[in-house]
Amino acid sequence: GAVVSQHPSWVICKSGTSVKIECRSLDFQATTMFWYRQFPKQSLMLMATSNEGSKATYEQGVEKDKFLINHASLTLSTLTVTSAHPEDSSFYICSATAGGYEQYFGPGTRLTVT
Amino acid sequence: QQQVKQSPQSLIVQKGGISIINCAYENTAFDYFPWYQQFPGKGPALLIAIRPDVSEKKEGRFTISFNKSAKQFSLHIMDSQPGDSATYFCAAENTGNQFYFGTGTSLTVIP
Repeated sequence: GAVVSQHPSWVICKSGTSVKIECRSLDFQATTMFWYRQFPKQSLMLMATSNEGSKATYEQGVEKDKFLINHASLTLSTLTVTSAHPEDSSFYICSATAGGYEQYFGPGTRLTVT
Repeated sequence: QQQVKQSPQSLIVQKGGISIINCAYENTAFDYFPWYQQFPGKGPALLIAIRPDVSEKKEGRFTISFNKSAKQFSLHIMDSQPGDSATYFCAAENTGNQFYFGTGTSLTVIP
């Protein structure tokens, strides 16, 4: 149980375009979902926290107009990277919690902006 | 400010040996301490976790030791295997579901 999926697992896009990443909790209802960014050989950096039906809370330094988060249902959250640039290339990971302490992580999405 | 400090940054252990990774925190509001294992190109996977009312928790070859007064906790991997080679992250969570990750430890187990 407690499986979180992400789609796509790998995406390449051209500079200036937007890309959407989906995060789904497959076998539980996620009260809260989190989006992280991870650079090579570094730790996970929390970008934002989202609760179903409400606006996401962004961490300091994260541009909310660039990284649009929508938590449309208890099983789906999306992250849209708008007007992507090469510096946005990174590994994006979502996680979800069902209200307890445990966070369940997705497999990650590798974004490469050319 | 790093909420959770993790050491060492990298660790090389002989097969069959014990791997030990340490973490320290300052915020006494943390009340859940998980350890995650991450392979390259994959998301973190929960290994084992502990609450502060317990000093030790063991699951198979993995043990967490928790010292509440020192605000430190550690992961011990007994009989380390090459398949354990991965990056390990400690984390601390408060009741608001806010997670703070350590900086990670790259473990290499050599045959």
